[in-house]
Amino acid sequence: GNSVTQMEGPVTLSEEAFLTINCTYTATGYPSLFWYVQYPGEGLQLLLKATKADDKGSNKGFEATYRKETTSFHLEKGSVQVSDSAVYFCALLTGANNLFFGTGTRLTVIP
Amino acid sequence: EAGVTQFPSHSVIEKGQTVTLRCDPISGHDNLYWYRRVMGKEIKFLLHFVKESKQDESGMPNNRFLAERTGGTYSTLKVQPAELEDSGVYFCASSQELRGNEQFFGPGTRLTVL
Repeated sequence: GNSVTQMEGPVTLSEEAFLTINCTYTATGYPSLFWYVQYPGEGLQLLLKATKADDKGSNKGFEATYRKETTSFHLEKGSVQVSDSAVYFCALLTGANNLFFGTGTRLTVIP
Repeated sequence: EAGVTQFPSHSVIEKGQTVTLRCDPISGHDNLYWYRRVMGKEIKFLLHFVKESKQDESGMPNNRFLAERTGGTYSTLKVQPAELEDSGVYFCASSQELRGNEQFFGPGTRLTVL
């Protein structure tokens, strides 16, 4: 079956710290992988995506590389800002076209 | 261009009552999806419309949930009768095409069943 396992939160970091949120997946076939972000009071927004092995998705300083050998798609950012405080969801998309999400990781960045 | 909108933003009802959630997708998007996040767990797929037809409703939890998309525009999700375990955040998303095209999400409706 299809599933996503992501790092439990919450995560609290100081501004300019390095961020890693782990995400591993189980999937049939060759899924596309996504990171969505939900800022306070808003809906889910696509942060970045990768559609095949070894692809790197990047946006707003965040990066994630599709690693087929380790079935992972870890989210990283070299220097977080207070404005990055949000809930981050790892997700995969299969041929059935519905997204499978992880449980979400709440990030709080303190000044 | 307006994004996906959902109404209401919050709903508090008692067990046994009926609630109807509404989703207006981005104009021109044929694909509409409903998802649900219960009690801080993962967001789970409920169903997928292509225009007015149900393409996939494998995630609908039981027959107390009824989704419609009359005319292929907005969609409603009715819960009747509501149970305590239905509490959660219900998200709607829409996309223009299939095969990995980005799904645009609404802000969600937070449903609390007392």
